[in-house]
Amino acid sequence: EAQVTQNPRYLITVTGKKLTVTCSQNMNHEYMSWYRQDPGLGLRQIYYSMNVEVTDKGDVPEGYKVSRKEKRNFPLILESPSPNQTSLYFCASSLTGDLYEQYFGPGTRLTVT
Amino acid sequence: AQKVTQAQTEISVVEKEDVTLDCVYETRDTTYYLFWYKQPPSGELVFLIRRNSFDEQNEISGRYSWNFQKSTSSFNFTITASQVVDSAVYFCALSEAKWGSQGNLIFGKGTKLSVKP
Repeated sequence: EAQVTQNPRYLITVTGKKLTVTCSQNMNHEYMSWYRQDPGLGLRQIYYSMNVEVTDKGDVPEGYKVSRKEKRNFPLILESPSPNQTSLYFCASSLTGDLYEQYFGPGTRLTVT
Repeated sequence: AQKVTQAQTEISVVEKEDVTLDCVYETRDTTYYLFWYKQPPSGELVFLIRRNSFDEQNEISGRYSWNFQKSTSSFNFTITASQVVDSAVYFCALSEAKWGSQGNLIFGKGTKLSVKP
């Protein structure tokens, strides 16, 4: 089954404790990205990757890092989480950057206290 | 700059009513894509439709239909004979289509639709 998986689905952590949210897709997609969803703001792109070892900032990259060492994986790293990073995070992938059909993961709800 | 506006924050209807969700977009590009996504209470994002800027034909899929009008920069979504299962947040989104573009989806803030029995 074609899918994008994210782990963990729910995470409660404390300020400053480094964490990683994993994202994996099994469709051999080149393009992957991370979004965060906040009430009243819709979804905003954090980082994206056009292919292995090619990443770039989206609209709200501050406080986040990503890496793309393999085509299927695109982890999101919060080196020092802060409460304003409490949000619902979505990973997405599509075959190419023209987003013919972008598949979204199930979401990760992160709470930073 | 690109922008998507969904002016209706929340809509409440009674089952079997028709409902239209509005989407107005701004872009300076001549080539772009428009999308609608559904986010049910369970939280996942479900792709509904993608249209490119050169295709202004309206589309119908079962009870769903979309009206794309470049003249008014609108891409409205109508649900006919709404059902309780249609209750969700619906997002309209816009993407540039330049060659080599990173394809960032610009989302509207969403419209929460509640369909009451």
